Amino acid sequence: DGGITQSPKYLFRKEGQNVTLSCEQNLNHDAMYWYRQDPGQGLRLIYYSQIVNDFQKGDIAEGYSVSREKKESFPLTVTSAQKNPTAFYLCASIRTHQIQGNQPQHFGDGTRLSIL
Amino acid sequence: AQKITQTQPGMFVQEKEAVTLDCTYDTSDQSYGLFWYKQPSSGEMIFLIYQGSYDEQNATEGRYSLNFQKARKSANLVISASQLGDSAMYFCAMRANYGGSQGNLIFGKGTKLSVKP
Repeated sequence: DGGITQSPKYLFRKEGQNVTLSCEQNLNHDAMYWYRQDPGQGLRLIYYSQIVNDFQKGDIAEGYSVSREKKESFPLTVTSAQKNPTAFYLCASIRTHQIQGNQPQHFGDGTRLSIL
Repeated sequence: AQKITQTQPGMFVQEKEAVTLDCTYDTSDQSYGLFWYKQPSSGEMIFLIYQGSYDEQNATEGRYSLNFQKARKSANLVISASQLGDSAMYFCAMRANYGGSQGNLIFGKGTKLSVKP
């Protein structure tokens, strides 16, 4: 079955450490997204990528970095510059970033990141 | 700027009854889409229903329907015949079809629905 796989499910970060969250999709989607969700809050966009080797900052990109070297993969690195990284991180994808009609974004199951 | 407002942090409903979850939005765009997602306690986001800004009919998907009032900029989700499995967070989201933020979803803060047996 096609879908989005996020790993790990739980991740702990030490002070000053960079950590990388994995997102892989086998839906043949061009566009991929990373969201952050804080308790009791909605999702906020960190970064998105419309096509391989291209990505744009979202609303809260500071302290994060991404790469898009392959269509299937869109890893997110939470750097030591992100002072409050504890949150739930969701990856999503859609066939194309352009006019999409009723296409929804498809989501992975998320990664919970905590500070040690 | 686009904005989604969900004014009900939490809602209770009796099993088998209907419930309406409120969503209002703010946008200057003419062409946009509105989405509702369900998030169980396990965390995954499940797409429920979509309404396009030019759709004349209210969207329906099984027990879910959308009460779309464009002039009021509201897109309320109606769940009929509530089930215990409907207990979850519900998010309203909007996507512009044109412009700088084209394609990006803007989410509300969500409503936590609890279904009572």
